[in-house]
Amino acid sequence: LAKTTQPISMDSYEGQEVNITCSHNNIATNDYITWYQQFPSQGPRFIIQGYKTKVTNEVASLFIPADRKSSTLSLPRVSLSDTAVYYCLVGRDTGRRALTFGSGTRLQVQP
Amino acid sequence: DARVTQTPRHKVTEMGQEVTMRCQPILGHNTVFWYRQTMMQGLELLAYFRNRAPLDDSGMPKDRFSAEMPDATLATLKIQPSEPRDSAVYFCASGLVLGQLYNEQFFGPGTRLTVL
Repeated sequence: LAKTTQPISMDSYEGQEVNITCSHNNIATNDYITWYQQFPSQGPRFIIQGYKTKVTNEVASLFIPADRKSSTLSLPRVSLSDTAVYYCLVGRDTGRRALTFGSGTRLQVQP
Repeated sequence: DARVTQTPRHKVTEMGQEVTMRCQPILGHNTVFWYRQTMMQGLELLAYFRNRAPLDDSGMPKDRFSAEMPDATLATLKIQPSEPRDSAVYFCASGLVLGQLYNEQFFGPGTRLTVL
């Protein structure tokens, strides 16, 4: 299975920009990169998905360098409600590779 | 606002008892997933279905777990007999997969199972 590596935890303050990087050295040519957010006692929620360069939506931006061996989720001006666990997934279609959630990054936003 | 629903939300049972968890996927979604989450193992994929047919159930302990989709509006996950190590939160998710492009999954609220 394609392995992803993320920091275990990160701390930030309200109003700051947070960047969470995920390493995926074994990414395949057709793989997409997908990020999910999970709040305590809830199921994960899709944030963003991309293949290369930059993708932006109303919640976050996803930066993917040319070699695609890593990706960075950027959360602009975080608030307390962004405190959650963030997961990076790599794969295509719904094969098991694309559905493997790693340990995630626990983001704690302080006032 | 379409959502995945799961019942029951909480279940406490004794070892050896049968447990059935139910999931109603979002109408129109063709793929249903079952996950289990524990502190130790994190979020693990148990099985998933496409158009009600099982595609992969390699994540399930075959001797005690079974997953089915009796119809397009209902997915079930059954444990028989249950064991304390099955205690976890079980999530159902659904998604619309067209061709081979991976699309987002919509997760339900989960069933918190405690086996005593």
